[in-house]
Amino acid sequence: NAGVMQNPRHLVRRRGQEARLRCSPMKGHSHVYWYRQLPEEGLKFMVYLQKENIIDESGMPKERFSAEFPKEGPSILRIQQVVRGDSAAYFCASATSGREVEQFFGPGTRLTVL
Amino acid sequence: AQSVTQPDIHITVSEGASLELRCNYSYGATPYLFWYVQSPGQGLQLLLKYFSGDTLVQGIKGFEAEFKRSQSSFNLRKPSVHWSDAAEYFCAGGGNEKLTFGTGTRLTIIP
Repeated sequence: NAGVMQNPRHLVRRRGQEARLRCSPMKGHSHVYWYRQLPEEGLKFMVYLQKENIIDESGMPKERFSAEFPKEGPSILRIQQVVRGDSAAYFCASATSGREVEQFFGPGTRLTVL
Repeated sequence: AQSVTQPDIHITVSEGASLELRCNYSYGATPYLFWYVQSPGQGLQLLLKYFSGDTLVQGIKGFEAEFKRSQSSFNLRKPSVHWSDAAEYFCAGGGNEKLTFGTGTRLTIIP
C-alpha cells in the first residue's frame, strides 16, 4: 500500500506566478490535511478536506490560497501570485474516518519563491 | 485555545546516554497526542501515539512516552540514543480534525 504521495517534491516559482501542489492520499483514506512548515518552525495547520468538501480552513490565509479535494484525483493546494514569504515546505497528511485515527504524512513539497 | 509547547529548542546528548524530550499541552479535554520525527529535508515519521488507556506508550525505534494528566505533559524518552537518532522531534496534539504542533526540538548526538 503506497503511502501519501506529494508532487512535485521541489517547486521553484517567481513572484507573481501560481503554485499548484498535489497530494494523493493513501488508499482508502478520505480525509486530507495540509500543513505548512516555515524555515526553522513547526508545522502549522492550513486546511482539512474530505472528498468534495472543505471541513476546516481556519489556517488558510484569506487571500491567494485555495484547496480542493475532488471526487476523483488528488487534493490540490493552489497559491496564486506567490510572494517570497510563501517559501516553505508544504505537507499533506491523510487519514481514514472514525475516532482515534492517525494522520499519515507525505514527504512534502518544498516551494521556493524567487 | 489548544496549544503544544516544546520548551527545549536544541538538545545535545552523547551516544548511549538516555534522552528525554519535553512536551506540554493545553487542551480543554484529553487530546490525542503524538510524537513525530523529521530528518533534514524529509517528511514526518510517527514515533508513537496516545489516544486513551495505558499512559505509558511504546513506539518504534525504542522510544516511549508517558502521558501525565496532572502535569499536562507527554514527554518522549529513550534509554540509550544512537547516532541515527539525530533529527528534529515534534510533539503534536489534537482530535480528528487537525493537529497542533510544537515548535520542535533538534537533537544532536555527540560521539
